[in-house]
Amino acid sequence: EPEVTQTPSHQVTQMGQEVILRCVPISNHLYFYWYRQILGQKVEFLVSFYNNEISEKSEIFDDQFSVERPDGSNFTLKIRSTKLEDSAMYFCASSLGQIYEAFFGQGTRLTVV
Amino acid sequence: AQTVTQSQPEMSVQEAETVTLSCTYDTSENNYYLFWYKQPPSRQMILVIRQEAYKQQNATENRFSVNFQKAAKSFSLKISDSQLGDTAMYFCAFMKRATGANSKLTFGKGITLSVRP
Repeated sequence: EPEVTQTPSHQVTQMGQEVILRCVPISNHLYFYWYRQILGQKVEFLVSFYNNEISEKSEIFDDQFSVERPDGSNFTLKIRSTKLEDSAMYFCASSLGQIYEAFFGQGTRLTVV
Repeated sequence: AQTVTQSQPEMSVQEAETVTLSCTYDTSENNYYLFWYKQPPSRQMILVIRQEAYKQQNATENRFSVNFQKAAKSFSLKISDSQLGDTAMYFCAFMKRATGANSKLTFGKGITLSVRP
């Protein structure tokens, strides 16, 4: 069964460093998302991406964050200068269309020290 | 804006028994979808069941069923014949049926379900 895959599963980085979280969505999906979950809290929407551009972003998704789909398969989330409060589980998701459910990856646990 | 409320932080059920997880939501939308996602200790989010708001019939998926009350904006999940593998965090989520490209999910805080042997 096709699945969304994320790498790495766990990343530790120093405050102020740049990180790139990678995702390979399901191949025929058209809509891509990043969500995050701070430990013990609910899952929060960060950004949605369609047709090679951001379709919506939350207030969390400030100028430190960016997304791109550089080669038609990978979908990346970059955090330019990490802060301690960026420590969270980051989930990538993809869906076939607007009315279809999102399929999630297994998540990347980001720890900023 | 939509909100999803899961007021029970945790529940426990005996194996083979039935348990119901509550969820309420608030929206001014008329066309939307509701979901229950399961997050086991492995942390991956797995879709359990989905309900279209325009459908009056409650969705079922094997041992999982929902009680969707549109007027009351209530969407509870019933798990029958609970199994040890059902132990997980369960999230209720809302998605509006968008005309544009936006189909983001709004999640509740989740409920931790423990199935006792």
